Amino acid sequence: GAGVSQSPRYKVAKRGQDVALRCDPISGHVSLFWYQQALGQGPEFLTYFQNEAQLDKSGLPSDRFFAERPEGSVSTLKIQRTQQEDSAVYLCASSSTGNPYEQYFGPGTRLTVT
Amino acid sequence: GESVGLHLPTLSVQEGDNSIINCAYSNSASDYFIWYKQESGKGPQFIIDIRSNMDKRQGQRVTVLLNKTVKHLSLQIAATQPGDSAVYFCAEAPYGTYKYIFGTGTRLKVLA
Repeated sequence: GAGVSQSPRYKVAKRGQDVALRCDPISGHVSLFWYQQALGQGPEFLTYFQNEAQLDKSGLPSDRFFAERPEGSVSTLKIQRTQQEDSAVYLCASSSTGNPYEQYFGPGTRLTVT
Repeated sequence: GESVGLHLPTLSVQEGDNSIINCAYSNSASDYFIWYKQESGKGPQFIIDIRSNMDKRQGQRVTVLLNKTVKHLSLQIAATQPGDSAVYFCAEAPYGTYKYIFGTGTRLKVLA
């Protein structure tokens, strides 16, 4: 079946612009996670949803970062007033209730802020 | 696509040999551990997992060992193949949470 998909795959933004990154999880997966991966490093947790409820947003680096999942399926990560340090790959993962630990990752969106 | 692991430690092994990738984790309260493989331009791919009440778990060509005393995790890959070339990350999930804390990663290069 289809895996996790993310769009766009690549995004270039000028500093100060707002961006929106989309994640389509595996159908039926109730848990959805966002991670940020800087070049040459491991992913870092940003936020976690169970259905439409955002249960943990402790990893969001500033109030410029906002995530939503209004209908419990597709999720959007929004970054306002982008800065150069926001340049990274943004990964989305989803997991099922059967094994919430087994997270399936999408290909990521590479954001470059110029 | 983008490069993963530009400045990561690298393990080079001959095709057909066994590989051992090590990881030190940080939180003694972590309950669940997992290994991921990441190829350039792709998201991490699940390899194998282990819970804190186990010392060893085997999969197809892979074995994960957990030593809670020294907070060490290892991934053994048997008969390493060219397709195993990638960056490998260990991750831990503290008890009661599902959010992963990823390690720094190791690049595995398989030499023909």
